[in-house]
Amino acid sequence: AQSVTQPDIHITVSEGASLELRCNYSYGATPYLFWYVQSPGQGLQLLLKYFSGDTLVQGIKGFEAEFKRSQSSFNLRKPSVHWSDAAEYFCAVGAGYGGATNKLIFGTGTLLAVQP
Amino acid sequence: SQTIHQWPATLVQPVGSPLSLECTVEGTSNPNLYWYRQAAGRGLQLLFYSVGIGQISSEVPQNLSASRPQDRQFILSSKKLLLSDSGFYLCAWTPRGDQPQHFGDGTRLSIL
Repeated sequence: AQSVTQPDIHITVSEGASLELRCNYSYGATPYLFWYVQSPGQGLQLLLKYFSGDTLVQGIKGFEAEFKRSQSSFNLRKPSVHWSDAAEYFCAVGAGYGGATNKLIFGTGTLLAVQP
Repeated sequence: SQTIHQWPATLVQPVGSPLSLECTVEGTSNPNLYWYRQAAGRGLQLLFYSVGIGQISSEVPQNLSASRPQDRQFILSSKKLLLSDSGFYLCAWTPRGDQPQHFGDGTRLSIL
């Protein structure tokens, strides 16, 4: 069965420091992978997506993620964190993609705190 | 451009009362629609999805139901709410094909 694991429940970084959020997935075929961000009390905003091709994908707000098939990982990175990046981040894999369902399986999220 | 609306934003209901949450999408036609629930400290759980009017698929057995009376309208309902129905409910849509889902701002439901 498809699954997504985000091993870090909570991460604290200093403003200006680099960031890496981990995501591991389990999926039998070529995965469609996503990172979403959620501010408190808000919906989810798409940061970036991987469908195929270049394994390093660029997203909004200066984020990037790298797909590594051998490690079944899709880690999110940012070279310099801003205070406004404090939020919860969700990794997701497309469980029914390519058809009419387009279902997503989400990880449990990583809550990012940014220290001044 | 496409937009998705959910209402209400916040709802406080007594146990045993009915529920109706509404989600509408503008600027597109024939979208796939989804209802998720997000419990504190947990990820998103897919509750229902719909690929067309009147077509509803349920992912988990529960006290809730969904309906799609119009192409761009998705409703989440319950006849009698339970305490365990508390949570943050999110609606999402996607066009056909390989496209990511886009989410509404959610409804915070508290059951007393």
